[in-house]
Amino acid sequence: IAGITQAPTSQILAAGRRMTLRCTQDMRHNAMYWYRQDLGLGLRLIHYSNTAGTTGKGEVPDGYSVSRANTDDFPLTLASAVPSQTSVYFCASSGTSDYNEQFFGPGTRLTVL
Amino acid sequence: GQNIDQPTEMTATEGAIVQINCTYQTSGFNGLFWYQQHAGEAPTFLSYNVLDGLEEKGRFSSFLSRSKGYSYLLLKELQMKDSASYLCAVGDSNYQLIWGAGTKLIIKP
Repeated sequence: IAGITQAPTSQILAAGRRMTLRCTQDMRHNAMYWYRQDLGLGLRLIHYSNTAGTTGKGEVPDGYSVSRANTDDFPLTLASAVPSQTSVYFCASSGTSDYNEQFFGPGTRLTVL
Repeated sequence: GQNIDQPTEMTATEGAIVQINCTYQTSGFNGLFWYQQHAGEAPTFLSYNVLDGLEEKGRFSSFLSRSKGYSYLLLKELQMKDSASYLCAVGDSNYQLIWGAGTKLIIKP
């Protein structure tokens, strides 16, 4: 693994189903983030984690949950998917440079029908 | 509230220079970032400004004026591969990034 990986790459999901998006980084970054990106809108922060064992809510947390059991993994769970959660989801991490730029995974394109 | 404004779309000619502006209003300021995002791909880091002035990195330069809440990204000697969206983001008082909606740059031959 080099950098950040996300899985799956894309998914079509029926409304009401539970779904977990996976994110793994191998850069030993302390901070990790989940964003959604929708056409015409900026990246919006869903949840974040400043270090393993802690999480926080971002701008649009409703309907999503996260966990941070270790440094490398930061899964995002949709407990009961709704069509408005159709989006591209990016995981990011930061923590080792002077200015803490965020490094992004390749994204997961999720469609909820 | 917190707000980042940048133009939705710009068009420029290959070999020319283009300036993409970004204005911001945020609770606190911990640096301004520019990212590049090609269609269907993840954002990638381009530049960071925390002090007023110009930061130059090859064909790309970024300027910041904290008193005016203003930044720009300057791209010189445009190449077709520079066709992408350019995202402005500001670190707020909690060190979270607040993102603009991005500027789609179209390069014409």
